[in-house]
Amino acid sequence: DTAVSQTPKYLVTQMGNDKSIKCEQNLGHDTMYWYKQDSKKFLKIMFSYNNKELIINETVPNRFSPKSPDKAHLNLHINSLELGDSAVYFCASSPRTGGSGELFFGEGSRLTVL
Amino acid sequence: DAKTTQPNSMESNEEEPVHLPCNHSTISGTDYIHWYRQLPSQGPEYVIHGLTSNVNNRMASLAIAEDRKSSTLILHRATLRDAAVYYCISISNFGNEKLTFGTGTRLTIIP
Repeated sequence: DTAVSQTPKYLVTQMGNDKSIKCEQNLGHDTMYWYKQDSKKFLKIMFSYNNKELIINETVPNRFSPKSPDKAHLNLHINSLELGDSAVYFCASSPRTGGSGELFFGEGSRLTVL
Repeated sequence: DAKTTQPNSMESNEEEPVHLPCNHSTISGTDYIHWYRQLPSQGPEYVIHGLTSNVNNRMASLAIAEDRKSSTLILHRATLRDAAVYYCISISNFGNEKLTFGTGTRLTIIP
């Protein structure tokens, strides 16, 4: 069983569209994250949720809206997609907040905006 | 959280030990040192983490300098499957941040 799973793995869409990426973890962790990896391979945190509550919201445009229906799921909805949103988006979970907790990543969702 | 610096790339022969260095000279006393690796088209994979003492697990060992300003990830016997980009990051234990990963070290294993 995949510990952290994301769907879809690939997403190609036109500018201006709205799309969602789903994430589920079966590790029983309380904390989940969304990261963005750009073309230069920098992996940057976008959001952090702890027990369904938003903890971190880095400088991400309002077009990005995370939703956590329960502790095991953290979805990412993106409105009015722009070319610069093209990237690989990774979901992750951790057993603890802070540095004592290791991160478990999903396989990534590659978003291409045309 | 402290910024880390790593060499852009390293090469090692198969079946030999590999020592991957990381500098984190501005690390604070509550920052943990984490190592992850990423294979092409895959998500980062947790390798090891520690605070002050050296750590061992089935994948690797982590040697942390006494002043904590640097650390070394040790792969005891490199295999071709260890070829990846290795990221070292430091994370405060008093924040919720799991920060930006740097560019890491691209490790090439020579058969």
